[in-house]
Amino acid sequence: RKEVEQDPGPFNVPEGATVAFNCTYSNSASQSFFWYRQDCRKEPKLLMSVYSSGNEDGRFTAQLNRASQYISLLIRDSKLSDSATYLCVVNPGRYGQNFVFGPGTRLSVLP
Amino acid sequence: GAVVSQHPSWVICKSGTSVKIECRSLDFQATTMFWYRQFPKQSLMLMATSNEGSKATYEQGVEKDKFLINHASLTLSTLTVTSAHPEDSSFYICSAPYRGIGEQYFGPGTRLTVT
Repeated sequence: RKEVEQDPGPFNVPEGATVAFNCTYSNSASQSFFWYRQDCRKEPKLLMSVYSSGNEDGRFTAQLNRASQYISLLIRDSKLSDSATYLCVVNPGRYGQNFVFGPGTRLSVLP
Repeated sequence: GAVVSQHPSWVICKSGTSVKIECRSLDFQATTMFWYRQFPKQSLMLMATSNEGSKATYEQGVEKDKFLINHASLTLSTLTVTSAHPEDSSFYICSAPYRGIGEQYFGPGTRLTVT
């Protein structure tokens, strides 16, 4: 089983739609969780950290369920500019703090 | 905010030559930096962890003699791809952890094409 798993998509949604991405991780000792966004041929950029209590940043809501080892990202009122690959990222807490990346979920928001 | 730079942003080289990629943290010190590689339509894969003042730690399957890493200062790590082959063509990205165990900041990446 891969350490971090995501549905690769693509998710094709119309502008204004609400879309949700899921992610599961295998290491129960993982310490921190993030959603990154990666545009084509660009580096990943932090979208938001994910906290146990859930957190919201504008149209984006992230949830963490440690018991189920599950992370989610909800995007409301999708914009064309939201089209990108969304990477679920887990810090397993090993030495060196290296991140483990999921394969990413590709989102295309259509006009 | 924290910024990580990489140089060059793209490079084309001939098979058998060596290429050096620099990764700099511009407004913070990084005792650790990470080097990733990303092939088309695949996720980032960690290659190695660069440690300032000591040897790099390589992930399984990554040849340390082929991918030379030097972390000479608290703001600079270099990755040298030696005797490059076409299969080394990829997007190489470095990152540095910021604010403890939390976020990482990524360089803009270096696109390497070996002909």
